Amino acid sequence: GAVVSQHPSWVICKSGTSVKIECRSLDFQATTMFWYRQFPKQSLMLMATSNEGSKATYEQGVEKDKFLINHASLTLSTLTVTSAHPEDSSFYICSASPPTGGLGYTFGSGTRLTVV
Amino acid sequence: SQQGEEDPQALSIQEGENATMNCSYKTSINNLQWYRQNSGRGLVHLILIRSNEREKHSGRLRVTLDTSKKSSSLLITASRAADTASYFCAPYNNNDMRFGAGTRLTVKP
Repeated sequence: GAVVSQHPSWVICKSGTSVKIECRSLDFQATTMFWYRQFPKQSLMLMATSNEGSKATYEQGVEKDKFLINHASLTLSTLTVTSAHPEDSSFYICSASPPTGGLGYTFGSGTRLTVV
Repeated sequence: SQQGEEDPQALSIQEGENATMNCSYKTSINNLQWYRQNSGRGLVHLILIRSNEREKHSGRLRVTLDTSKKSSSLLITASRAADTASYFCAPYNNNDMRFGAGTRLTVKP
């Protein structure tokens, strides 16, 4: 079945540095990928919709200059948290639209980001 | 927005009992999807029900959809301890899919 690989699964970084999170569709092409952020014991908050070859669509309140999204190919989308601050610490999850004929979205296993 | 709202927020049952979770939404949908999340992990797609369907089964899962009431329910029969997780509904329309706060299900052995 459709598999989405998200890397890294966890990362600790210092304030002010940037962190890149990758989301890959391993056995299918994903024209659309989504990036979510989840706080402890809360739901997933949609941050942005990423379409291959075009600019990402950011949700209201999400700083596009801080959360840079690149979807340069049909199998890879990246989220870069720039100039990270402790309040950016969170669980980030990506998902990919299903391949043709598929049902349901496939989610990556998530990235736990801790900014110290 | 398409955000779903689950009810109850938390549910605790004994192994073997059935668990019912409800979801309400506010706008029109193409389909509604249910997902499961184990603590600190990604989401796993459970089942999708289209807007023209009223009921769907998958193993021990039964999903209903009432578009007139903008609501859906997920029933897990004969629950197991391994079913302990958070369950989210996601109303979907035109590439827009958002999640509610979820229902935290605990199945006690």
